[in-house]
Amino acid sequence: AQKVTQAQTEISVVEKEDVTLDCVYETRDTTYYLFWYKQPPSGELVFLIRRNSFDEQNEISGRYSWNFQKSTSSFNFTITASQVVDSAVYFCALDSGGYQKVTFGIGTKLQVIP
Amino acid sequence: DAGVIQSPRHEVTEMGQEVTLRCKPISGHDYLFWYRQTMMRGLELLIYFNNNVPIDDSGMPEDRFSAKMPNASFSTLKIQPSEPRDSAVYFCASSLGAGRITEAFFGQGTRLTVV
Repeated sequence: AQKVTQAQTEISVVEKEDVTLDCVYETRDTTYYLFWYKQPPSGELVFLIRRNSFDEQNEISGRYSWNFQKSTSSFNFTITASQVVDSAVYFCALDSGGYQKVTFGIGTKLQVIP
Repeated sequence: DAGVIQSPRHEVTEMGQEVTLRCKPISGHDYLFWYRQTMMRGLELLIYFNNNVPIDDSGMPEDRFSAKMPNASFSTLKIQPSEPRDSAVYFCASSLGAGRITEAFFGQGTRLTVV
């Protein structure tokens, strides 16, 4: 069974603050893939990052960074110097076993206040 | 590529009517997914296809729901008869598989309202 937990349902920060969105996953497979997606108010789902279970290197892309820790089954997402345009719902997702059957977390709604 | 294309973007129908949602995946992608998004249940995978063949339909809620993929460039999700609790946003997504796991690319969704 695979499960993704995003314990933070809503977060509000003031613009320019850093914010971390938590994601904890459960799987029995040794091969799996983790994803983050962004859903802005317009409704589409935008892919942000994919990570496989054999690559624990953290990744940075501009103001975005991801911390993957297998020891704690976490794949957290940090936005540095948040901006109003970052306001969206962010989903963490898991493909356990690489079978393309992706399970999404419930999402974290981020509001960045100007 | 234009991305995953879904139609219609919005659909309002009366309870009991048949509803058909359409999807054109990204050319060359061999996986196609149908998801449903509601406030209560979040994003749920309904069914997915590999090379036009349904692989897992365990997420399809009831027999009223059916999905087809007659060719690599087209899929439909049909609800017959529709009920108010089917109101949701339905997303279609496609991806590359066959050992090259990639992310799924999502369409813009169809917002279905059943009154």
